[in-house]
Amino acid sequence: ETGVTQTPRHLVMGMTNKKSLKCEQHLGHNAMYWYKQSAKKPLELMFVYNFKEQTENNSVPSRFSPECPNSSHLFLHLHTLQPEDSALYLCASSQEMRRGAEGYTFGSGTRLTVV
Amino acid sequence: AQTVTQSQPEMSVQEAETVTLSCTYDTSENNYYLFWYKQPPSRQMILVIRQEAYKQQNATENRFSVNFQKAAKSFSLKISDSQLGDTAMYFCAFMKLSFQGAQKLVFGQGTRLTINP
Repeated sequence: ETGVTQTPRHLVMGMTNKKSLKCEQHLGHNAMYWYKQSAKKPLELMFVYNFKEQTENNSVPSRFSPECPNSSHLFLHLHTLQPEDSALYLCASSQEMRRGAEGYTFGSGTRLTVV
Repeated sequence: AQTVTQSQPEMSVQEAETVTLSCTYDTSENNYYLFWYKQPPSRQMILVIRQEAYKQQNATENRFSVNFQKAAKSFSLKISDSQLGDTAMYFCAFMKLSFQGAQKLVFGQGTRLTINP
């Protein structure tokens, strides 16, 4: 365990369903991120939250809706997804740069399949 | 915008051999960090090694070392005495130095490394 926990580990949903992915960290990090990992493509940054404020939305379709109620929790709400949204969704957290660039701590991801 | 390129989609070596994974990047920044991450079949992304661009000395972590060539914008990873547990996807990543806001990592496409017994 890295300290970043993602649930569920696997999710199969229909295109008309609504589901949510959850990410939780207790590392005292102030920033949290959602990345999409598709086969044979680089990891795509989706959203960035810093001190629970969204600082970046990387042109993500509105069918993905993030929520960050506090610095320890991050959600990704999903609705009316498309089959091409099937991917591994990774959550990560990090500390402020002035404490040293330690990179990210990642969760194990949620494998999402849209049918 | 920064880009990271890993030109080797797949590599395969025998156990105990040494293997080098390539990474090049493009940036106009002078202060930044570079990372290598490992993603085994368990999907957990694990930090292998990091390099501060202002440091000329190449970073090492046990069997893992890097060859950082700042002028050439090259950042290769060398794995010595490779082990079966090194089998994984390896990602090279770039981070601009910024003292405000969140840190953003830009990843390469990854190299799938297989260590054969």
